[in-house]
Parts: sequence; C-alpha cells; structure tokens
Amino acid sequence: EVQLVESGGGLVQPGGSLRLSCVASGFTFGTYWMHWVRQVPGKGLIWVSRIDSDGSATSYADSVRGRFTISRDNAKNTLYLEMNSLRAEDTAVYYCARDEPFHAFDIWGQGTGVTVSS
Amino acid sequence: EIVMTQSPATLSVSPGERATLSCRASQSVRSNLAWYQQKPGQAPRLLIYGASTRATGIPARFSGSGSGTEFTLTISSLQSEDSALYYCQQYNNWPPYTFGQGTKLEIK
Repeated sequence: EVQLVESGGGLVQPGGSLRLSCVASGFTFGTYWMHWVRQVPGKGLIWVSRIDSDGSATSYADSVRGRFTISRDNAKNTLYLEMNSLRAEDTAVYYCARDEPFHAFDIWGQGTGVTVSS
Repeated sequence: EIVMTQSPATLSVSPGERATLSCRASQSVRSNLAWYQQKPGQAPRLLIYGASTRATGIPARFSGSGSGTEFTLTISSLQSEDSALYYCQQYNNWPPYTFGQGTKLEIK
C-alpha cells in the first residue's frame, strides 16, 4: 500500500524549533519530488516547501523561507521539515504529499499538528 | 503569485442532483490544475489532475473541465458521501503552488 506517515508535531514555544518527519512506503520514494503543505484548523491549504527527488533543489513559501529547511534521506524513505524560529502563525496541521509529475499531489499523509504557544 | 479564486463559498445540493464548482486563476495555468476533496479530520484526496483527468479510483460522477483561467468541477448524481470541502490548486507557475480558498459542498 502506498502510504505517507508524518510524525514529530507537538507544542512548542514561540522562537522554538521542531523537526517533522514523513516516512514513505509502498513506492520508490527516491524517484519522486515531495512537498509539505499546512492547514490552519478551519482554514485552507497552504503550500510550504518542495524538494526534488535527490534533494538537490528546494523551494519555499515566502512565509517560511530562512526559517524552515526541507530535506530527505532516500535510504530511509524519509522526508523532513526542520522548523526554526517558530511563530504563532506557524500553528497548523502539516501534511507531506507526493508529487507525481503533471499529476499534482497524488498521495498525502494523515498530517501532524504543530502548536506554537507559550 | 497566481491567485486561485473559488466560487461559491458554500453550495447546497440535493442528493441525485448535479453540483458545479468553479475555480478561476489570476493568470493562465494552462491545464495544470487539480481538484482535491477534503472531509473533516482527513487529509486532502486528489480527485482531478490536468484539469480533466480523474485520479485513480475516483468515481466517474466526478468530472473536470476548463483550461487557462476558468475551471469547473462537476459532480453528477450527488451522493451523501460527497459532502466535503473541495479545493482547486495550480501547479503551472511555482513557487508557490497555490490553492483556492475552498468550496464547502453540503448535501440537503
């Protein structure tokens, strides 16, 4: 079964750090671009970051550039999102998603919640 | 940044009827447009990509059309399980990849 499972979310104070993980199974992880997308409860979907299949190229939303770092370990079938200098407005459910070329985001994880609060 | 605008915000349709959801892009995205369905407490699910191609396992009552800046998701013969939020997304000009604000579909 093709699956993505996120972990690492939780409660963190403003200015703190957190690392999210997304473990892939059921497909050849190292051949796909991957994304992080976030959603404030009750609000819409916001794209956060992208990484290409070998990790050599990344892209970020303006709101997180310089604070968040996307990376991957293809040997471990795992995608990461290192989040630093966290702000209250980063509070959201974070989803990882697979990018099938020209097929948009075809597989999504179940999400992991991040709450930034003192 | 391409802005995606969905209408209406909320749509209420009776079972067995047809629902038509719209999505407009602030500039052409060619056919690089996807539709997602999201139910409460669940992750988004890809319905349509390439503006009109159904994703694997998506019932034939879901169809997409349009290109350039105007797109439509049509759900024919609505069923109770179609009650959900629906988002459009462009993946033509990035970063950023951008989503519409969503249409809430209610079944009467």
